[in-house]
Amino acid sequence: QKEVEQDPGPLSVPEGAIVSLNCTYSNSAFQYFMWYRQYSRKGPELLMYTYSSGNKEDGRFTAQVDKSSKYISLFIRDSQPSDSATYLCAMSPGAGSNYKLTFGKGTLLTVNP
Amino acid sequence: GAVVSQHPSRVICKSGTSVKIECRSLDFQATTMFWYRQFPKQSLMLMATSNEGSKATYEQGVEKDKFLINHASLTLSTLTVTSAHPEDSSFYICSAVRQGGAKNIQYFGAGTRLSVL
Repeated sequence: QKEVEQDPGPLSVPEGAIVSLNCTYSNSAFQYFMWYRQYSRKGPELLMYTYSSGNKEDGRFTAQVDKSSKYISLFIRDSQPSDSATYLCAMSPGAGSNYKLTFGKGTLLTVNP
Repeated sequence: GAVVSQHPSRVICKSGTSVKIECRSLDFQATTMFWYRQFPKQSLMLMATSNEGSKATYEQGVEKDKFLINHASLTLSTLTVTSAHPEDSSFYICSAVRQGGAKNIQYFGAGTRLSVL
């Protein structure tokens, strides 16, 4: 079993839809959870950064972490064509010396106008 | 802030040549930089961790003599793919950790697409 599992999609939704992206993980040591957005042929861009369980909201984006289920989600409200990209989840056990990130494979999202 | 510049963005070279890729943090000092490789529809695979002024730490299975990493300053790390072969063709991405910031927040460059003929 891989440490981080993420459905690669592709996921196609109409503009304005609510998008739900998810990752599961097996390593209970992970404490920090991130979502990155990667446009085609570009480097990843940090979207959300969370610690431990709970929700975090930033504009149209909401990140949820459920450590008991080892499950994290990213919700995008009122999705726009400009949201079309690959979304990568990433996680790490700490913010100190253990700062290597473990990434999911990424989910390719297309928002159709 | 937190801009990472990676150069070149695209390289096409003949088999057997060496290719150098630069990664610069433009508006912050980076104590640590990472080098990743990404295959189509695959996740980022960490190749090595580069700390300023010390030798890079390579992940298991990554040949250090093949992928030379130099981190000579707090704003520049370079990856040299020596004697490149077609199987080295890939998308290489660097990232940098801001000095004094959370050590697990990485800022990424735009990547370098290497094609070895």
